[in-house]
Amino acid sequence: KAGVTQTPRYLIKTRGQQVTLSCSPISGHRSVSWYQQTPGQGLQFLFEYFSETQRNKGNFPGRFSGRQFSNSRSEMNVSTLELGDSALYLCASSWGDGNTEAFFGQGTRLTVV
Amino acid sequence: DQQVKQNSPSLSVQEGRISILNCDYTNSMFDYFLWYKKYPAEGPTFLISISSIKDKNEDGRFTVFLNKSAKHLSLHIVPSQPGDSAVYFCAASDYSGGGADGLTFGKGTHLIIQP
Repeated sequence: KAGVTQTPRYLIKTRGQQVTLSCSPISGHRSVSWYQQTPGQGLQFLFEYFSETQRNKGNFPGRFSGRQFSNSRSEMNVSTLELGDSALYLCASSWGDGNTEAFFGQGTRLTVV
Repeated sequence: DQQVKQNSPSLSVQEGRISILNCDYTNSMFDYFLWYKKYPAEGPTFLISISSIKDKNEDGRFTVFLNKSAKHLSLHIVPSQPGDSAVYFCAASDYSGGGADGLTFGKGTHLIIQP
């Protein structure tokens, strides 16, 4: 059974640009959540999508957005990149019915210069 | 306001001994708790979880204890092995059968197993 796949693994972008990250969940999983990991803040929840709808959202500015497709694949977009957006972005998938563990991808390392 | 706290940034334990990682939470709505293990440059790997209706869950060398009144949980690893050296994250959810799957994570504890 294939795990959670995130692409690309590494990205370097310039301030002011925008970026799109992709996540393919485990087959059958309908929930995809996105997290940002930085050394100072640890893992912070961005948002969660279930059946193409955003179900929950963390405390991030509107520059961070996402979407989910009918095959449960999800994309995350960050517009007007800032230096502070440099982080490891992790995607996690689960069945979406709660009380079940989320499985993480290897992450996308975004560096903003 | 940090709702899930791991107050020890690092912990060093001798191989073969017990490793105890602690986690405190403030949100009384949390009803599901998980521990994840993370190696550098990899995503977190699920280890073990516990529902708020239980006070203990065991899986091989890993046992998680939950004390709801104290809003405290701990992960015990016995015996500790060199491969256990990693960052351990405590996470909590307030799903309660109708919400979403967003997890609130602690900042992690770096466990170092010494030979």
